[in-house]
Amino acid sequence: GQSLEQPSEVTAVEGAIVQINCTYQTSGFYGLSWYQQHDGGAPTFLSYNALDGLEETGRFSSFLSRSDSYGYLLLQELQMKDSASYFCAVLMDSSYKLIFGSGTRLLVRP
Amino acid sequence: SQTIHQWPATLVQPVGSPLSLECTVEGTSNPNLYWYRQAAGRGLQLLFYSVGIGQISSEVPQNLSASRPQDRQFILSSKKLLLSDSGFYLCASDRPVRRELFFGEGSRLTVL
Repeated sequence: GQSLEQPSEVTAVEGAIVQINCTYQTSGFYGLSWYQQHDGGAPTFLSYNALDGLEETGRFSSFLSRSDSYGYLLLQELQMKDSASYFCAVLMDSSYKLIFGSGTRLLVRP
Repeated sequence: SQTIHQWPATLVQPVGSPLSLECTVEGTSNPNLYWYRQAAGRGLQLLFYSVGIGQISSEVPQNLSASRPQDRQFILSSKKLLLSDSGFYLCASDRPVRRELFFGEGSRLTVL
């Protein structure tokens, strides 16, 4: 079977930095994505890593280590609006299947 | 950019009743299309994906089915709903270059 492990909840203070980890065990792997979902809303794409290393997009960065089957999402200068659920997702092969983790609920406190 | 329309947004159905959820995509052609289900407070479960008209791949054996009658239309159906079918159903379309999924606003189904 396929499994993606993420912490269920993380709490951080406004302005701080938080890292959300994701480890995966899947029968195929092409890349790792991250999505954000606010309560009641649809997920929105944040980042995609196909190669080892760090990808930076504004306040958000994503890291991948294929040899360790591990990745993380780094959120800097946290804002209240960053309170949401964050999902890692594995693209299973070069085609189409995207398998999601169970999500990490991030609460940003003042 | 892509826009995904889903309807209905909310529905309450009795056990044993049929279901039809529709999804249409604008702003792209020949997209890969997906149906995901999300239980309350949980992750997204891939139900079906389609790479073209009439081509459906099922990920989870259950009483749901999917069809793709047109290039940018994807339909999720059931003949008889179960209580366990309750959830938030999301249609998605991908943008292959960035491996990015665009999601519709979702259909929230409650089976009573």
